[in-house]
Amino acid sequence: ETGVTQSPTHLIKTRGQQVTLRCSSQSGHNTVSWYQQALGQGPQFIFQYYREEENGRGNFPPRFSGLQFPNYSSELNVNALELDDSALYLCASSRESDYGYTFGSGTRLTVV
Amino acid sequence: GQNIDQPTEMTATEGAIVQINCTYQTSGFNGLFWYQQHAGEAPTFLSYNVLDGLEEKGRFSSFLSRSKGYSYLLLKELQMKDSASYLCAFTGGSYIPTFGRGTSLIVHP
Repeated sequence: ETGVTQSPTHLIKTRGQQVTLRCSSQSGHNTVSWYQQALGQGPQFIFQYYREEENGRGNFPPRFSGLQFPNYSSELNVNALELDDSALYLCASSRESDYGYTFGSGTRLTVV
Repeated sequence: GQNIDQPTEMTATEGAIVQINCTYQTSGFNGLFWYQQHAGEAPTFLSYNVLDGLEEKGRFSSFLSRSKGYSYLLLKELQMKDSASYLCAFTGGSYIPTFGRGTSLIVHP
């Protein structure tokens, strides 16, 4: 039991559609990061939220957006899906003072 | 810019010792993580090195040399369950981990 849960676990969408992925972090984890992991690759940083404000962003286009809520949950939204968006999307959270991130099991997104 | 490199794949025998190397380049450095990721599962935290030297934690040890931009993860007494991908990641000024592509370790009998 990792303490970070993501939903759904698997998802199939059509090119051009929009998708929302959800993450529920442990209580007290006010920092959440989202990563995209293609098959055989390491996680690529999308963005980070700290106390409901975006705190850093990787090299992803604006159609990738997010929200963090006061109850330690967060969302990743992707608009105008492309085939290359097919990947495992990981949510990772930490307490402000911690160095270690706790990852969720991820959402496997397939765009067809 | 920022860069991180580790071997793509390694194989080892059950009971043996294996060392997975990681080199990185970054203008600002705070620390280096190692994570283990089994296929289809979430990465799990193994270690975090901030200072130079070796840190031992059971069968796993992690080493850091900040001047050389180099780290390694040492796994002793390998078990079949150690077959997984091992991810190296550094944190710079933003404290946001930048990951390598991972090293797939295959342990065979």
